[in-house]
Amino acid sequence: EDKVVQSPLSLVVHEGDTVTLNCSYEVTNFRSLLWYKQEKKAPTFLFMLTSSGIEKKSGRLSSILDKKELFSILNITATQTGDSAVYLCAVEWDSNYQLIWGAGTKLIIKP
Amino acid sequence: KAGVTQTPRYLIKTRGQQVTLSCSPISGHRSVSWYQQTPGQGLQFLFEYFSETQRNKGNFPGRFSGRQFSNSRSEMNVSTLELGDSALYLCASSLDITYNEQFFGPGTRLTVL
Repeated sequence: EDKVVQSPLSLVVHEGDTVTLNCSYEVTNFRSLLWYKQEKKAPTFLFMLTSSGIEKKSGRLSSILDKKELFSILNITATQTGDSAVYLCAVEWDSNYQLIWGAGTKLIIKP
Repeated sequence: KAGVTQTPRYLIKTRGQQVTLSCSPISGHRSVSWYQQTPGQGLQFLFEYFSETQRNKGNFPGRFSGRQFSNSRSEMNVSTLELGDSALYLCASSLDITYNEQFFGPGTRLTVL
């Protein structure tokens, strides 16, 4: 069965810490992996990864994909309270042009 | 450029009623996907429309249906509402069949009493 598993489910850290969020997947005909940030309602797009080993960066956030081991990580350095959110990982698979979503990691940054 | 809009933002219904939710995608986007989000289940894919055709459907009962109009606006309908249908319903639009960066609307919070 196709699935996307995120870990940890929740994480509480202090401002300034570095965090690493994990997303592992088992899907047929992988096409891409996407990371989203959901603060209140609408998830907002962070990264789309299609190739192994190529790091995507945006400010303090970065992400990398390992297609051999079937996982991706999202790193956030020098965390700020504004980084508090649920981080969602989704995988696009080829057969039906759908996204399979992980349950998300709830990140809380304490001042 | 206006973002994805959803109406209504909040809705309260009783069991057995039906409801219609609306989604207007970003101008030029032809693909609209619908998701149900509940605290325990995360995002669950409902269906996806492209150029007025339903391309994909998730594992939801037939009470959940949708359609897309020629201007790409989409509606989803839930008939015979159950308590378990209480959720945040999100719609997302994307540019075309190969471009999977989806832009989400603010969602419609449906409460079934």
